[in-house]
Amino acid sequence: EADIYQTPRYLVIGTGKKITLECSQTMGHDKMYWYQQDPGMELHLIHYSYGVNSTEKGDLSSESTVSRIRTEHFPLTLESARPSHTSQYLCAISDRNTDTQYFGPGTRLTVL
Amino acid sequence: LAKITQPISMDSYEGQEVNITCSHNNIATNDYITWYQQFPSQGPRFIIQGYKTKVTNEVASLFIPADRKSSTLSLPRVSLSDTAVYYCLVGDGGNNNAGNMLTFGGGTRLMVKP
Repeated sequence: EADIYQTPRYLVIGTGKKITLECSQTMGHDKMYWYQQDPGMELHLIHYSYGVNSTEKGDLSSESTVSRIRTEHFPLTLESARPSHTSQYLCAISDRNTDTQYFGPGTRLTVL
Repeated sequence: LAKITQPISMDSYEGQEVNITCSHNNIATNDYITWYQQFPSQGPRFIIQGYKTKVTNEVASLFIPADRKSSTLSLPRVSLSDTAVYYCLVGDGGNNNAGNMLTFGGGTRLMVKP
């Protein structure tokens, strides 16, 4: 399995704040993903990246943005958080040999 | 993208074998079938992946019929700790440079009772 780190694990913030959720991996995988999951609901892909300087939107529209300046990092940013952004955000990578996706522990975001 | 359908929930008892079936009628030629397990407040954990016929590892078996329009995850002798949500995913095996797009189903909530 791959080592995937997400910080923070939990975040409670007020409306209008700018936040960045961090995702990092140590194995040099090219493919990284962000999923959004509301409590008790299914996962939805919101962003993905094939490598440095490559980012694409997923099948669920999101007001967040991502960047991929370095292979190891794939941060997700909300410029102005709103209560509707309250959710769990999961980062994943694809193993280059098997293309199996491995997930990080997630960040549970609550916007008041 | 493939449309995924799986039961919303299932109940079982400790020691029983559990079979969860997933339908993916419009699976593409290059798509693999992958199953994940997710506990509350954690990220999904890979269980097993297959393309056709039968795949077995130390935790589960995956049965895929010839038409590949469905798949069945088999968990032998479940325990209380197997209570979780199980996701069936279908997606490109990634044998190209276009990334690995996966479609998540709604998940099956398995409750294992003592």
